[in-house]
Amino acid sequence: DTAVSQTPKYLVTQMGNDKSIKCEQNLGHDTMYWYKQDSKKFLKIMFSYNNKELIINETVPNRFSPKSPDKAHLNLHINSLELGDSAVYFCASSQAGLIYNEQFFGPGTRLTVL
Amino acid sequence: AQSVTQLDSHVSVSEGTPVLLRCNYSSSYSPSLFWYVQHPNKGLQLLLKYTSAATLVKGINGFEAEFKKSETSFHLTKPSAHMSDAAEYFCVVSDRTGNNRKLIWGLGTSLAVNP
Repeated sequence: DTAVSQTPKYLVTQMGNDKSIKCEQNLGHDTMYWYKQDSKKFLKIMFSYNNKELIINETVPNRFSPKSPDKAHLNLHINSLELGDSAVYFCASSQAGLIYNEQFFGPGTRLTVL
Repeated sequence: AQSVTQLDSHVSVSEGTPVLLRCNYSSSYSPSLFWYVQHPNKGLQLLLKYTSAATLVKGINGFEAEFKKSETSFHLTKPSAHMSDAAEYFCVVSDRTGNNRKLIWGLGTSLAVNP
């Protein structure tokens, strides 16, 4: 059973398009995250939701809009895609309230903008 | 604010020799520290974590790390490298922002294992 799953695994699209990436976790966690990993492997947190409420919103262009229909899902919608959006996007989940905040990651979605 | 510094961006070892990946952290309170591993074109997997219990932490695949408060270090070690250990390794500290927590990631150390 996959704990944190993302779809699609690969996404190739043209500049200016709008696309979505979906994430689901079956761990019963109440907190979910989106990260962006650039070509240099640097991981940057973008958003975090706790029980469908946005709790972390880093400096990310407002073309990126997360949506959490329930605590098991956190989707990422990107409008007007730009070349610089090309990266690997990781979804993660954790259980809030735990001191150590271990996060479980999905397999990633490799986005290529042409 | 918390921060983490991985002292080597790239480490190369021979198979069967010890591995040492260095990490220093900065924290205003007792931190939680982690090492994650990312194999090529794969997701991120937790190797081990320190949560203020034993200072020597054992993880998966024979890795361990020692929390040294006096040196603000959390170096990752393995006695004998295997080819399958070639991957990117991230040292991470848990940061507290009000009631919320987020992970602060190091820039990663790429480990190469030579036959």
